[in-house]
Amino acid sequence: DGGITQSPKYLFRKEGQNVTLSCEQNLNHDAMYWYRQDPGQGLRLIYYSQIVNDFQKGDIAEGYSVSREKKESFPLTVTSAQKNPTAFYLCASSMLSGEDYESQPQHFGDGTRLSIL
Amino acid sequence: LAKTTQPISMDSYEGQEVNITCSHNNIATNDYITWYQQFPSQGPRFIIQGYKTKVTNEVASLFIPADRKSSTLSLPRVSLSDTAVYYCLVGGYNFNKFYFGSGTKLNVKP
Repeated sequence: DGGITQSPKYLFRKEGQNVTLSCEQNLNHDAMYWYRQDPGQGLRLIYYSQIVNDFQKGDIAEGYSVSREKKESFPLTVTSAQKNPTAFYLCASSMLSGEDYESQPQHFGDGTRLSIL
Repeated sequence: LAKTTQPISMDSYEGQEVNITCSHNNIATNDYITWYQQFPSQGPRFIIQGYKTKVTNEVASLFIPADRKSSTLSLPRVSLSDTAVYYCLVGGYNFNKFYFGSGTKLNVKP
């Protein structure tokens, strides 16, 4: 079945450590996204990518980095500069809108929960 | 960026119809209205999307008035498994315009 796979499901980070969250999709979608969700809150956009080797900052990109070397993969690195990394991280993908401007639904993975040791 | 306003929470009973209204006063001409459902510790799941008037699928209906400044998600005959958070989004061609608010927490009681 097609879908988005995030790994690991749970991740722990030590002080001063960088950690990388994996996101893989087999939906042949061009666009991919990373969101952060804090308890009881909505989703906030960290980074997004429309095409391989290109990505854009979202609303809360500081302390995070991404790469898009392959269409299927969009890993997120939480760097030591992110002072409050404890959160639920969600990856999504979608088709790009066509000339009719119709918004394309985003398909989400099941998330990675990151905690600080 | 078109932001949305939804009730923080709603209660309902099994078998009832639930209507969740979302306000989006500064919706742009090309923006669509999309609703997602999220269960705890899972990613959001697409429910329904529309541009104007009424859209219906196998799980919900979406009502959009002519001015498009609000929309109403209608869930017919809810069950306990519909207990979740429901998000209303507006956006379109420039997907980076999507804004997830805090959503509406729907609690369905037996």
